[in-house]
Amino acid sequence: RKEVEQDPGPFNVPEGATVAFNCTYSNSASQSFFWYRQDCRKEPKLLMSVYSSGNEDGRFTAQLNRASQYISLLIRDSKLSDSATYLCVVNIGGTYKYIFGTGTRLKVLA
Amino acid sequence: DAGVIQSPRHEVTEMGQEVTLRCKPISGHDYLFWYRQTMMRGLELLIYFNNNVPIDDSGMPEDRFSAKMPNASFSTLKIQPSEPRDSAVYFCASSPSGQGNSPLHFGNGTRLTVT
Repeated sequence: RKEVEQDPGPFNVPEGATVAFNCTYSNSASQSFFWYRQDCRKEPKLLMSVYSSGNEDGRFTAQLNRASQYISLLIRDSKLSDSATYLCVVNIGGTYKYIFGTGTRLKVLA
Repeated sequence: DAGVIQSPRHEVTEMGQEVTLRCKPISGHDYLFWYRQTMMRGLELLIYFNNNVPIDDSGMPEDRFSAKMPNASFSTLKIQPSEPRDSAVYFCASSPSGQGNSPLHFGNGTRLTVT
């Protein structure tokens, strides 16, 4: 089993739709969680950190469920510019070992 | 502030040649990481440094790969001899000191093609 798993997609959604991605992790010692966005042929860029109580940044909401070992990303009112691959990242506590999921591809359609 | 700077952006070389990739981390960041990304395997950690010292190189594929960080502002990843299966995008990332709760900041990568 992979340490961090994501549905590769693609998720094809119309503009204005709400879309959600989940990411599961296997190591219960995981302590820090992040969502990154990667555009085609570009580097990953931090979208948001994920906090235990959940957090929101504009149209983006991240949630953490430690009991079930997954994190989620919700995008409201999707824009064409949201089309990208979204990477889930987990950090194993006490280390600098960051584990990346293989990403979920989102395509927002006009 | 300047981000993580990598060079070259693209490298095309023939099998057997030596390849050197370069990285300048964000000033003040104590941690530097080298990742490799392919379609098949996604992002894989190769090695990371703390205060210029290699901490974990368990991801380095084999002896053909080596990495150095002679000072806080410069790191190299060398492949000698290169092979076609080394073709990938190589990313350098840096992070400030902490307990792993700081995100990584990536450079724009080096796209390596070995023919």
